[in-house]
Amino acid sequence: KAGVTQTPRYLIKTRGQQVTLSCSPISGHRSVSWYQQTPGQGLQFLFEYFSETQRNKGNFPGRFSGRQFSNSRSEMNVSTLELGDSALYLCASSFGPGETQYFGPGTRLLVL
Amino acid sequence: KQEVTQIPAALSVPEGENLVLNCSFTDSAIYNLQWFRQDPGKGLTSLLLIQSSQREQTSGRLNASLDKSSGRSTLYIAASQPGDSATYLCAVPPANQAGTALIFGKGTTLSVSS
Repeated sequence: KAGVTQTPRYLIKTRGQQVTLSCSPISGHRSVSWYQQTPGQGLQFLFEYFSETQRNKGNFPGRFSGRQFSNSRSEMNVSTLELGDSALYLCASSFGPGETQYFGPGTRLLVL
Repeated sequence: KQEVTQIPAALSVPEGENLVLNCSFTDSAIYNLQWFRQDPGKGLTSLLLIQSSQREQTSGRLNASLDKSSGRSTLYIAASQPGDSATYLCAVPPANQAGTALIFGKGTTLSVSS
């Protein structure tokens, strides 16, 4: 069974640009969550989607947005990039709330 | 607000030692607790999930325990190997929520020398 896949794996952007990251969950999983990981703040929750509905949102500015499609694939978008958005963005999928989460390899974003 | 703390932040042991990693959380009203491992620059690998009704879970050389009333979990690694070197993270959902919005500790970075 294929694991969680994330594309692209690496991105370099400049301040003010926008970026879209993609996550394909494990087949059969309907729940997708996104996290930001930085050396200073550690892992912080961004969004949680289940069956195309956003169930929960972390404490991030409105520049961070996401969505989930009918096939459970998910995208997150960051507009007006700032230097502090440089991070590893991780996606996780599970069958549903309360189930084991499986993480993808992440997308490493560098904002210059 | 739920907070997760992991002690120690770093640990170095010789191969073959048994070791314990600690995780504490401030609000005991959790549905479950999950332990992960992260290798440098990589994603997270799920190790064990303990539901709130369980006291412990075992997988191979790993054993995780959960004491909700005291807000603590431990991850026991038996007969450590160099391949166990990684950062170990524990995570819980927000109190009284069964969702996937996990709150993570900062992790314990383990180094096992041969």
